[in-house]
Amino acid sequence: ETGVTQSPTHLIKTRGQQVTLRCSSQSGHNTVSWYQQALGQGPQFIFQYYREEENGRGNFPPRFSGLQFPNYSSELNVNALELDDSALYLCASSLEIEGLGYTFGSGTRLTVV
Amino acid sequence: TQLLEQSPQFLSIQEGENLTVYCNSSSVFSSLQWYRQEPGEGPVLLVTVVTGGEVKKLKRLTFQFGDARKDSSLHITAAQTGDTGLYLCAGRGSTLGRLYFGRGTQLTVWP
Repeated sequence: ETGVTQSPTHLIKTRGQQVTLRCSSQSGHNTVSWYQQALGQGPQFIFQYYREEENGRGNFPPRFSGLQFPNYSSELNVNALELDDSALYLCASSLEIEGLGYTFGSGTRLTVV
Repeated sequence: TQLLEQSPQFLSIQEGENLTVYCNSSSVFSSLQWYRQEPGEGPVLLVTVVTGGEVKKLKRLTFQFGDARKDSSLHITAAQTGDTGLYLCAGRGSTLGRLYFGRGTQLTVWP
């Protein structure tokens, strides 16, 4: 059973650019959530996808968007990058939307300069 | 403003000591989870507690969910160096699947 895989592991972007982060969910999991973890903070919920539709969104602006594909993999897109977007972006998958347990990937470390 | 407050923020102890980490909120959660995160890695689920007053044991780790489902504690007996890491509590809110995380407790266990 494979876990959650995220790519790339590290990324450096310039302010104003756009970025796409990718996540392959654990085998059999159909729900994917994205979290942002700034240094010294706990993860903050960005949004969740269930069966290819956004199902719940945190307090993040519209320039944060996502997709879920038929194979349940997912992408997080961030437009017009700002310095404060520098963080560890975590993807978590679960079996069904009410899943009591979440499997997190190792994250993508994004640095905006 | 954090929905979940964890204390202490940092904890540094010797191997063999006992410790307790607290997770408090004014909100009620349908369930609460504890995770451990190591540098450069994602959080790893340790336990999920669902029922008010529930106590779960995982080897030397004991987790308790408050009767009102607003708070939780993690107690580690005879800490080992391998217990070092960031311990995060997370409550599940009204939006299905959404987790509210605390800031975490950074535990360092010295030999």
